[in-house]
Amino acid sequence: DTEVTQTPKHLVMGMTNKKSLKCEQHMGHRAMYWYKQKAKKPPELMFVYSYEKLSINESVPSRFSPECPNSSLLNLHLHALQPEDSALYLCASSPWGAGDAGELFFGEGSRLTVL
Amino acid sequence: AQSVTQLGSHVSVSEGALVLLRCNYSSSVPPYLFWYVQYPNQGLQLLLKYTSAATLVKGINGFEAEFKKSETSFHLTKPSAHMSDAAEYFCAVRIKAAGNKLTFGGGTRVLVKP
Repeated sequence: DTEVTQTPKHLVMGMTNKKSLKCEQHMGHRAMYWYKQKAKKPPELMFVYSYEKLSINESVPSRFSPECPNSSLLNLHLHALQPEDSALYLCASSPWGAGDAGELFFGEGSRLTVL
Repeated sequence: AQSVTQLGSHVSVSEGALVLLRCNYSSSVPPYLFWYVQYPNQGLQLLLKYTSAATLVKGINGFEAEFKKSETSFHLTKPSAHMSDAAEYFCAVRIKAAGNKLTFGGGTRVLVKP
């Protein structure tokens, strides 16, 4: 199994809703990442978990709340979002923790639309 | 601070022609360099990586890249373009001494003409 699986693939939510994005990998990777990608732009790092601990928060607004329940799962809880938060949210993992400089393995992404 | 620059946001090539995508990085310490491809409405797939071993790196789908320290470049090439190569390509850099974050260039969209 060499995949990073993200659900849902598409999500539409209102500004008062609470929703979550889910990411799962069964490759035994020890670092997991959330990236945000706006249309026609490169991905931008949001959060990094290394060995299930939050190691990097790129000054992301608190309406985005990450959670890493175990080494295989990564969630992104969404609350009171703004229309400008509409984007493709990409999850990624890497084998040896965030201190290693190897490649990241990306999921297909969850496309979020905030109305 | 680390950064990576891709020259040309769009490249148009004819099927069968050479594909050349340019990437330059800025770093005072040795970087790890990557090329990713993104097809429409999909995630990113690793094409190849440079991690301080051979300077000429071969990747998937016939792509290769050469690390040139003197030019701080890591250009991506493919001898003969195929229609399926139409996609967005991102160069990315990771530097252990600088937070080890994977930072992307602006991307280059490749259009392949029949």
